[in-house]
Amino acid sequence: AQSVAQPEDQVNVAEGNPLTVKCTYSVSGNPYLFWYVQYPNRGLQFLLKYITGDNLVKGSYGFEAEFNKSQTSFHLKKPSALVSDSALYFCAVRDREYGNKLVFGAGTILRVKS
Amino acid sequence: KAGVTQTPRYLIKTRGQQVTLSCSPISGHRSVSWYQQTPGQGLQFLFEYFSETQRNKGNFPGRFSGRQFSNSRSEMNVSTLELGDSALYLCANLTGAGYTFGSGTRLTVV
Repeated sequence: AQSVAQPEDQVNVAEGNPLTVKCTYSVSGNPYLFWYVQYPNRGLQFLLKYITGDNLVKGSYGFEAEFNKSQTSFHLKKPSALVSDSALYFCAVRDREYGNKLVFGAGTILRVKS
Repeated sequence: KAGVTQTPRYLIKTRGQQVTLSCSPISGHRSVSWYQQTPGQGLQFLFEYFSETQRNKGNFPGRFSGRQFSNSRSEMNVSTLELGDSALYLCANLTGAGYTFGSGTRLTVV
């Protein structure tokens, strides 16, 4: 079965500093990977996806993610954090054994302090 | 272009009752999935519908059911509600860009 892991429950970063939210995956075959962000009492907002191609994926709101096949990682990054980036971030993988089912990590709370 | 619309946004129900949640996908996109989000279990897949057919089902009891109509709108139903069914229920619509989620329905069972 496909799975993703987010090893950090929370990441704290100062405004203006670079941020990284970690994700590792375990899949059979080529992975379809996603990052989503969730603000309180809201649904999930799509940030970016990796299906194939360049290992560095650029997404919404200045976020990017680096796909690393040898380390089975798909870390989310941003060069300069904003206080408004504070939210809950989810990494997900499409489980192709189950059609369009997404399997999510447990989520990482990002806190950006001014 | 309208996004994924879920109604209602909030619901409070009593144990033993049943509830129906609605999801209207983006026009022209027929794949609709449902997810349950709780603090303890995180985001879990409930089921997926495409062209009025259930394609996949997650590991939930039979009290959880769904359906999809010819206009692609989907409903999910939970019967005999339990306290543990309190959760945010999210609907996702698969488009060419990926998965677009609605804002969810917050169900509280008391």
